[in-house]
Amino acid sequence: QITLKESGPTLVIPTQTLTLTCTFSGFSLITGEVAVGWIRQPPGQGLEWLALIYGNGDKVYRPSLKSRLTITKDTSKNQVVLIMTNMDPVDTATYYCARRQSVTYGFWGQGTLVTVSS
Amino acid sequence: DIVMTQSPLSLPVTPGEPASISCRSSQSLLHNKGYDFLDWYLQKPGQSPQLLISLGSNRASGVPDRFSGSGSGTDFTLKISRVEAEDVGVYFCMQSIQIPHTFGQGTKLEIK
Repeated sequence: QITLKESGPTLVIPTQTLTLTCTFSGFSLITGEVAVGWIRQPPGQGLEWLALIYGNGDKVYRPSLKSRLTITKDTSKNQVVLIMTNMDPVDTATYYCARRQSVTYGFWGQGTLVTVSS
Repeated sequence: DIVMTQSPLSLPVTPGEPASISCRSSQSLLHNKGYDFLDWYLQKPGQSPQLLISLGSNRASGVPDRFSGSGSGTDFTLKISRVEAEDVGVYFCMQSIQIPHTFGQGTKLEIK
């Protein structure tokens, strides 16, 4: 059974750095055929893709946010971490992690709501 | 970025009736291997998105056969042959042929 679960702070102060962790089970992130990505959704709005890390270590980022994003993986812990710097209220959103295999996001976490406010 | 445009944005449907959602991309999603990098997702109220259709027309595991996807290149359609109450939610198309992966605005299906 494949599961993913996001964790991290629910409230972030503007200009601070956000660190989110995706803990997964039921698969291994060790080959280039499997990846874990992050997608976010502001309240009441649509979906925005952020970043992706493959099991072979390759990483891709949303170009407009690349300077603020870092994605890493810890294979031994079955975790993927997303770091986003210089948080702003417009970054308030539910952040999802999802597994990508065979060019599709077949499994998603439940999401975690992050509010950016002073 | 590839722009994904869905229509309609709101779709009221009577149970048992068919429904259709259009998705158009600003660039071709047809890969040189012969398949389209176009997925359909349904986000039910209060839930995370769930995969319905991959590669334009492949139903995901467990998805009822009343859902079907068609199209190629830049024009795609999701059809529901007979809408049921459990089909309410927001439907998104998504392209993943180019970074950044991008989503349509979403189509909210509601029951009349």
